[in-house]
Amino acid sequence: EVQLVESGGGLVQPGGSLRLSCSTSGFSFSTYAMHWVRQAPGKGLEYVSGISNNGGSTYYADSLKGRLTISRDKSKSTLYLQMNSLKIEDTAVYYCVKGGPKLVTTPSDYWGQGTVVTVSS
Amino acid sequence: EIVLTQSPGTLSLSPGERATLSCRASQSVGSSYLAWYQQKPGQAPKLFIYGASSRATGIPDRFSGSGSGTDFTLTISRLEPEDFAVYYCQQYGSSPGTFGQGTRVDIK
Repeated sequence: EVQLVESGGGLVQPGGSLRLSCSTSGFSFSTYAMHWVRQAPGKGLEYVSGISNNGGSTYYADSLKGRLTISRDKSKSTLYLQMNSLKIEDTAVYYCVKGGPKLVTTPSDYWGQGTVVTVSS
Repeated sequence: EIVLTQSPGTLSLSPGERATLSCRASQSVGSSYLAWYQQKPGQAPKLFIYGASSRATGIPDRFSGSGSGTDFTLTISRLEPEDFAVYYCQQYGSSPGTFGQGTRVDIK
């Protein structure tokens, strides 16, 4: 059974940093691209970042570029998202999403339950 | 980036009725790289349709997807009580994999 378990969310002040983690199991982690998608309270889904199966290619949403670093650890089957210079508008549920073998052109078939990030003073 | 526009914003229907949801792209979605997700309150989205018309594992056949290029449709032939939720389309043919703003299907 595919499982994606996010952690690392919490309350942080504007300008602060957080590192989100996504521990995975039930599939061959190094075979699949992985993504982060977020959802602000009461709003729709917003694509945040993606990383290819081997970590060689990454993508960041324009609105977040320069403040994020996505990475993955094959030995731990874990995905990470380092978020810096956080803004109030970054408040959202952050979902870890399993992609297909490619970063694009393959659908995302499993989602974690999400971790809540709240940016507030 | 490709912008997806979903309509209507809200669809109010009764169980047993047919639901038709639209997703229009600002430019062609190559090779029908279009997915539909269902999201219920407090839950993560769930993949329902990929490749514009292929049902994901375990999705009942009352759900069907169609379309190509810039115009896509999700049809629910007869609404069951568990189908009332928010539905999002997403294109995954180019980065970023943008989402539509969602269509809420609620009980009339």
